[in-house]
Amino acid sequence: GAVVSQHPSWVICKSGTSVKIECRSLDFQATTMFWYRQFPKQSLMLMATSNEGSKATYEQGVEKDKFLINHASLTLSTLTVTSAHPEDSSFYICSPAGLAGVFGTDTQYFGPGTRLTVL
Amino acid sequence: AQSVAQPEDQVNVAEGNPLTVKCTYSVSGNPYLFWYVQYPNRGLQFLLKYITGDNLVKGSYGFEAEFNKSQTSFHLKKPSALVSDSALYFCAVRDGRDTGRRALTFGSGTRLQVQP
Repeated sequence: GAVVSQHPSWVICKSGTSVKIECRSLDFQATTMFWYRQFPKQSLMLMATSNEGSKATYEQGVEKDKFLINHASLTLSTLTVTSAHPEDSSFYICSPAGLAGVFGTDTQYFGPGTRLTVL
Repeated sequence: AQSVAQPEDQVNVAEGNPLTVKCTYSVSGNPYLFWYVQYPNRGLQFLLKYITGDNLVKGSYGFEAEFNKSQTSFHLKKPSALVSDSALYFCAVRDGRDTGRRALTFGSGTRLQVQP
């Protein structure tokens, strides 16, 4: 399957600070990136979808000014949590989707996740 | 709209026994169905998928799943459970006809506990 990395894997920050999470697809070109959030003992919820070189589309209830997504290249997407608060503490997981024929467009692969704790 | 139901929060099974993790889905178009496994503080690992073809799909680590269109189910199975199979399992679906929205919709997850 596809190789996806996320950095950092774990971050603790103070309330009010911003945190940037990087997601890299290491062995294929990610034309689309999905960002999910997972609260403890809950399922994954889609936050936003971004296409390389264009603005992200956010799911209902997700603040676009709070969760800034940049997808400037086919191998890197970033999620910045701005002015983080304790309620933003969660597990953030990226999932790149590539071109047809490269691992297929059918299967989504996921990054290892980033655990964010806001104090 | 599409949805996935995993009716069991937890499944307990003894090592060596067969296991089943249940999943039912709802989608307006063609169902693309997936099973993923998640270990603590880790991302999701792909197990298997059904897109088309044989209703019985074989995947990683000895897992298999059976697509049942009439019952809109896609239950995950394994003939003989291992303690190392203990993890959180997610069923997911997307509408195969919707080429615009390719994000998956996940079930709530089922924790599998295999006892030695």
